[in-house]
Order: sequence, then structure tokens, then C-alpha cells
Amino acid sequence: DSGVTQTPKHLITATGQRVTLRCSPRSGDLSVYWYQQSLDQGLQFLIQYYNGEERAKGNILERFSAQQFPDLHSELNLSSLELGDSALYFCASSVERGFGYTFGSGTRLTVV
Amino acid sequence: GQQLNQSPQSMFIQEGEDVSMNCTSSSIFNTWLWYKQDPGEGPVLLIALYKAGELTSNGRLTAQFGITRKDSFLNISASIPSDVGIYFCAGMNYGGSQGNLIFGKGTKLSVKP
Repeated sequence: DSGVTQTPKHLITATGQRVTLRCSPRSGDLSVYWYQQSLDQGLQFLIQYYNGEERAKGNILERFSAQQFPDLHSELNLSSLELGDSALYFCASSVERGFGYTFGSGTRLTVV
Repeated sequence: GQQLNQSPQSMFIQEGEDVSMNCTSSSIFNTWLWYKQDPGEGPVLLIALYKAGELTSNGRLTAQFGITRKDSFLNISASIPSDVGIYFCAGMNYGGSQGNLIFGKGTKLSVKP
């Protein structure tokens, strides 16, 4: 157990729908990062939050949004889902920048 | 944007053999990290490198931060079946609005007993 908790583990939904993925960071970690992993693109950085504020943005689609709450858990919202959004979505946390990230086990999203 | 080239893409080796993989970048990084991912799991940090020229070991794993800061190497000695998985390099620059990891596409390691 890495200490980073992601729910749900699996999600199957239809095109056009909206889903919310949840992440609880490791105790004491203030930064949360979201990554998308697909077969042909590897691990792609989506967005980072630090203590409730957005800190960095990667290749995140406008249909996707995220937030970090006062208790430091984070949610990634994916809307108007397309088949190509099917992927593994990972959350990672770290105590501060410059140190290795601890990853959760991921949410496997399948859009049908 | 920054890109990491990781090679080889895959390796099939005999148990007991040594393994080498590397990662090169078009730009400089302040930090190099090596992760391993098992099927159905998230990447797990193996080794972190913070200084150019640094050589760090973790059991049978040894990694180096290249002098140019544009490359890194991971070696696994005397491979065993549980070494099977995908190994990712990752580079990071921190400061300003940066701070996210850029990942290579991974090296898939298969070990024949």
C-alpha cells in the first residue's frame, strides 16, 4: 500500500457521460498530481495542485477539470467522455517539489 | 515540449543476466527518477538522483545521473523473475510553475527462468 488511495478502481461508462475520480494523498503530502496513461502515449501529466491551489497544468483537455479540497483530497472530473478517453488515470502525491512522487494504484476508465 | 527517449522499448533476458537501460532528453533536468510498474499497479519509485554525476544503488539496481544532465542510466544486476515489469525514467525541473515529472515511454522487461 503506497498510502495514496484512488477510487474507484474500475469505471465503465458510455460516451457523452461525466465521471469523477477521487484521490486521497499520502498523509502529510500537500501536492497532488494527476496523470493519464494510455497504451500509445505513456504517462501524460494532466494537472498539479498544491495545498488547494492549482500549480501546474499539462496536456489536460478542456473537458477535464480538477480540484483539491481543504482536507487535501482531490477529484478529477471528466465530462463529455469520448472513446479515446479510455485509459488508466493515476494520482500521485509528494511532500514538496523536487522529490519523488508516490503513485496510487490508478482508476481504469473504459468508455463504451 | 520536453521529451524523453527511453531505450530499449523491450528486453527479453535470461534469469541471472544483467540489464541496462537508458534515457536521454533534449533538455536539462534537475532530477532524474526511475520507476517500476507492475501490471494493474501504479509506478513505484526505485531510485531518485538529484545531482549531475551522481551514482546511486538500491540493492541490485544502480542508476546514474549523466554529467550533461540530459541523460540517465539504470542497471539491474543478476536479474530474477520478479524484475519483470515496465521501467520508466522520469525527469523533473522545479521552480516557477514547473514541478511535474516528464516520463519516458518505458522499457518492458521480460525474464526467462
